[in-house]
Amino acid sequence: AQRVTQPEKLLSVFKGAPVELKCNYSYSGSPELFWYVQYSRQRLQLLLRHISRESIKGFTADLNKGETSFHLKKPFAQEEDSAMYYCALRMDSSYKLIFGSGTRLLVRP
Amino acid sequence: SQTIHQWPATLVQPVGSPLSLECTVEGTSNPNLYWYRQAAGRGLQLLFYSVGIGQISSEVPQNLSASRPQDRQFILSSKKLLLSDSGFYLCAASKGGQPYEQYFGPGTRLTVT
Repeated sequence: AQRVTQPEKLLSVFKGAPVELKCNYSYSGSPELFWYVQYSRQRLQLLLRHISRESIKGFTADLNKGETSFHLKKPFAQEEDSAMYYCALRMDSSYKLIFGSGTRLLVRP
Repeated sequence: SQTIHQWPATLVQPVGSPLSLECTVEGTSNPNLYWYRQAAGRGLQLLFYSVGIGQISSEVPQNLSASRPQDRQFILSSKKLLLSDSGFYLCAASKGGQPYEQYFGPGTRLTVT
């Protein structure tokens, strides 16, 4: 069955340290992968999608089909990056997204 | 951009009572609509989605049902609540051609006592 796995429930780093939020998926077709973010007291929102290959707020994510991964990275974490991050998978021509269980990122001063 | 409204924000209901949560969308027509349940440590579980009026797809068999009586209105219901229905319910919407970019509502915290 299609699945998105985020192995870390909590990731704590110091300001300025590199960050990598892990995401692995299982899907035999052509996946579209996304990262969503929820800041404190804000709504869940789209952060980035693999197709656009862009950097948002310093974050990047590369789809690795060989390892079926879509890890989110940032070279220097900032305190304002503290939030809940969800990885999501869209299957071929589907209207729905499959979300992972989320990782809480805590950036300490 | 789309704005998603949900009410009520919080709700406390006894076991066996009915439920009706409402979601409305502004800023787009003919959206795809979604109901999720968000549980701590379990992420977002898709419950229902709809691509048009009267069209509902159920993802998880359970005590809940959904309806879409109008283009931008999505309702989550139950005839008799169970304790296990407690949780945080999120409504989301996306444009027809961009189902991956979902806009989320503020959510409803439901406690079944």
